[in-house]
Amino acid sequence: DAGVIQSPRHEVTEMGQEVTLRCKPISGHDYLFWYRQTMMRGLELLIYFNNNVPIDDSGMPEDRFSAKMPNASFSTLKIQPSEPRDSAVYFCASRNSGRGYNEQFFGPGTRLTVL
Amino acid sequence: TQLLEQSPQFLSIQEGENLTVYCNSSSVFSSLQWYRQEPGEGPVLLVTVVTGGEVKKLKRLTFQFGDARKDSSLHITAAQPGDTGLYLCAGPNGGSEKLVFGKGTKLTVNP
Repeated sequence: DAGVIQSPRHEVTEMGQEVTLRCKPISGHDYLFWYRQTMMRGLELLIYFNNNVPIDDSGMPEDRFSAKMPNASFSTLKIQPSEPRDSAVYFCASRNSGRGYNEQFFGPGTRLTVL
Repeated sequence: TQLLEQSPQFLSIQEGENLTVYCNSSSVFSSLQWYRQEPGEGPVLLVTVVTGGEVKKLKRLTFQFGDARKDSSLHITAAQPGDTGLYLCAGPNGGSEKLVFGKGTKLTVNP
């Protein structure tokens, strides 16, 4: 079975530009999570969805960040306008609530660099 | 918010050595997970421990959950270069689906 798919794997952009990160969760998983990872702060949860509905966006740093999940197989995280401090690796993860103990399956990440 | 502290932050050893890394909290967790993250990849789940005092083995890796379910350890026997990576522990944040992650132990095993 295919794992979580993220695109692009690398993104380099200039300050002020719009950035869109994409995620395809594992088929059948009903939870989707967006994380940001930096050396200083580690892995931080930004937002998560259940059955395509946003449940908790308390980790979204500012109004510049937004996330959508239009259907069970696709989600986006958008940053507009981007700033250098947004440079990080962004991960998407998914989970099947009917199995296990909160285990999450992560994608390979998108490394974002904002110049 | 429950916090998980991992130690050491960095560990560099020679191939064949044994090591233990730790994950500690002042809060009780219903379960704890260990993930390994290799450079340029996402975290991959290694194991979940659920019962206080539980010990699980995964080849050369031994995971233990503390009796009070506030801490966990990961012991690696005869480390190999392929064990190199960032080891993260994580646990559910209260009754929600959210996981709280430690900042990890970055392990380097030199040939």
